[in-house]
Amino acid sequence: GNSVTQMEGPVTLSEEAFLTINCTYTATGYPSLFWYVQYPGEGLQLLLKATKADDKGSNKGFEATYRKETTSFHLEKGSVQVSDSAVYFCALRRVPPEGNEKLTFGTGTRLTIIP
Amino acid sequence: DAGVIQSPRHEVTEMGQEVTLRCKPISGHNSLFWYRQTMMRGLELLIYFNNNVPIDDSGMPEDRFSAKMPNASFSTLKIQPSEPRDSAVYFCASSFDRGWGNTGELFFGEGSRLTVL
Repeated sequence: GNSVTQMEGPVTLSEEAFLTINCTYTATGYPSLFWYVQYPGEGLQLLLKATKADDKGSNKGFEATYRKETTSFHLEKGSVQVSDSAVYFCALRRVPPEGNEKLTFGTGTRLTIIP
Repeated sequence: DAGVIQSPRHEVTEMGQEVTLRCKPISGHNSLFWYRQTMMRGLELLIYFNNNVPIDDSGMPEDRFSAKMPNASFSTLKIQPSEPRDSAVYFCASSFDRGWGNTGELFFGEGSRLTVL
C-alpha cells in the first residue's frame, strides 16, 4: 500500500537558517504529493503540491520537487522565520483516473524557529 | 468563500455520553473525509465518502463510531457511548474529485476538540 516516511522531529533552527525536511514515499503509479502545515491550535493548511514527476511546488518561500527516480518530495526554504514554527506533514494521494484514495500522511515534523 | 465548517469546536463530555460532530464541506466538493488526530497515533483516517457514499470505513475504530452523509452538504460523526480514549481532535476535510485533471488536495476544517472525562 501507499506510505510516506518523513524526517523525524523535532527540528529547531535559528531565524534565517536553511531548512530541509526530508520526505520519501511508496506508491504505485503517479500519486499527487503535498506538504501540509499545521500552526498551533489550528487545522491543516495546504502549503504546496505537485502532481507529476519533476513538478516543483512552491509557496511562501517553501519549495519541493517531485522526484520520481528517488521517490522523494523534500521540503526546503532558504531563510526561515519565527512565524514558520509549525508542524509539517508530507502526504500523497492517488486520484482519479488512477484511483480515488485517501490522503496518506507522514508522521509530521515539528519545526521551531528561534530568534 | 466559506471553507469546511465543523461544529462544535470544543466538546467536553462524560464517559458513556453520545457525541455528535458535524461537518459542512465546501460547496461543490464531492468527497468528504473524517480524520482523527492524537499525539500517540498522529493523523488517522476514519472514513471517507464520495458522492455521499462511504468508500472506505476501515479506519473506524469500532462499532461505537458511526458516520453519515445524508446529502452533499452535511455529514455527522457519532460516538456512542464515548470513552476517555476517544479524546482527540477530529478533522473533517473535503475535496473535488472528477474523472480527469484532479490535483487531489483536501481542504480541512479547523477541527473539533473532544475531551471525554
